[in-house]
Amino acid sequence: NAGVTQTPKFRVLKTGQSMTLLCAQDMNHEYMYWYRQDPGMGLRLIHYSVGEGTTAKGEVPDGYNVSRLKKQNFLLGLESAAPSQTSVYFCASSFQVFWGYTFGSGTRLTVV
Amino acid sequence: AQTVTQSQPEMSVQEAETVTLSCTYDTSENNYYLFWYKQPPSRQMILVIRQEAYKQQNATENRFSVNFQKAAKSFSLKISDSQLGDTAMYFCAFMKHRGNTPLVFGKGTRLSVIA
Repeated sequence: NAGVTQTPKFRVLKTGQSMTLLCAQDMNHEYMYWYRQDPGMGLRLIHYSVGEGTTAKGEVPDGYNVSRLKKQNFLLGLESAAPSQTSVYFCASSFQVFWGYTFGSGTRLTVV
Repeated sequence: AQTVTQSQPEMSVQEAETVTLSCTYDTSENNYYLFWYKQPPSRQMILVIRQEAYKQQNATENRFSVNFQKAAKSFSLKISDSQLGDTAMYFCAFMKHRGNTPLVFGKGTRLSVIA
């Protein structure tokens, strides 16, 4: 089925470890986004991309890096994980932004 | 910066009844888009309904409808004939018309439909 695929779905990291979350979409969407969801905080934007090779910071970018080398993929990296990065991470994409997003199923990350 | 406020952290409704979820937003823009997303226990985010600010007619999608009051900057969601499957977190979201600015989300309202 066409859509947005996030890998992995669950992960436990130790403080200081690094990891990359992968987001892949097969809908030829230009725009891609990374949000984090925390209880009582809604969804907060980490980074986003308006096209291949572009990235921009969102509301809570500290501690994260991103890359969009290919149009269909948007990678989110944590170089040195901290317990404050324990969260559910959502990737989303859109063709025309005003039609809304297609979301992935999320990645639950726990940093101990 | 735009902000979206959902003042009801939790709500409950009896099956088959009607419930209204509130959302207000703050913006200086004249043209923009508003959305309601549903997140059931499966965690998947599902678009429920969208509204274009320059359209005065309220959007409807089956049992879901909105009450869009542009002057009051209010965008409430009405769910009619509530069903058990409507149990979910509901997020209100705002997007400017100009540029490629991302969605700004409210903190959500947890709705429980009771049999």
